[in-house]
Amino acid sequence: QVRLVQSGAEVKKPGSSVKVSCRASGGTFSKSAVSWVRQAPGQGLEWMGGIVPMFGRGNNAQKFKDRVTITADKSTSTAYIELNSLTSEDTAVYYCALNDDSLTGYYCVHWGQGTLVTVSS
Amino acid sequence: DIQMTQFPSTLSASVGDRVTITCRASQNIETWLAWYQQKPGKAPRLLIYKASILGSGVPSTFSGSGSGTAFTLTITNLQPDDFATYYCQQYNGFSRTFGPGTKVDVK
Repeated sequence: QVRLVQSGAEVKKPGSSVKVSCRASGGTFSKSAVSWVRQAPGQGLEWMGGIVPMFGRGNNAQKFKDRVTITADKSTSTAYIELNSLTSEDTAVYYCALNDDSLTGYYCVHWGQGTLVTVSS
Repeated sequence: DIQMTQFPSTLSASVGDRVTITCRASQNIETWLAWYQQKPGKAPRLLIYKASILGSGVPSTFSGSGSGTAFTLTITNLQPDDFATYYCQQYNGFSRTFGPGTKVDVK
């Protein structure tokens, strides 16, 4: 069974950056479609971007084009999202999720536990 | 980007009811649509993908239909465990967007 374990909660200052990790086990990570999804307090789900580790290049939602970098390390089955120029509006729970068969599309079968990122001065 | 809308935003129902949630896409997404259930403080759970295929372990009281721009999620015989928020997500093309969600609460 696929299991996703994310890094711990972060508190950041406005203008800084944050990098969240997501380690996968139990599946074929390199062939998976990995997504990053966030949820601000009391709000809905927002797809930020994704990557298929086998291909190595991620793609971001237009809203995050310039601020988000998504990478993956096949050797450790770990995906990362880095978000720059943080503001209070980036305070949210950040989820990684994956579909272990990328050929069937970028929907989210397995989910990490979520990482709370708080941006506060 | 493809925009997703859902209605109603809130739905009040009773145990045993049949409920239907509608999701619309701003352009044709064929059947590249998934549905998720989320409970407070928990990660979402996949219910349906490719518009109508049930996810692993999902009870048959859930069903999905539609193609193109209009989709529905139907829950028959609503159970206490089904009170939650439901989201649709399109995964056609490079940007995969979620709908705003539909909260199913107790009437």
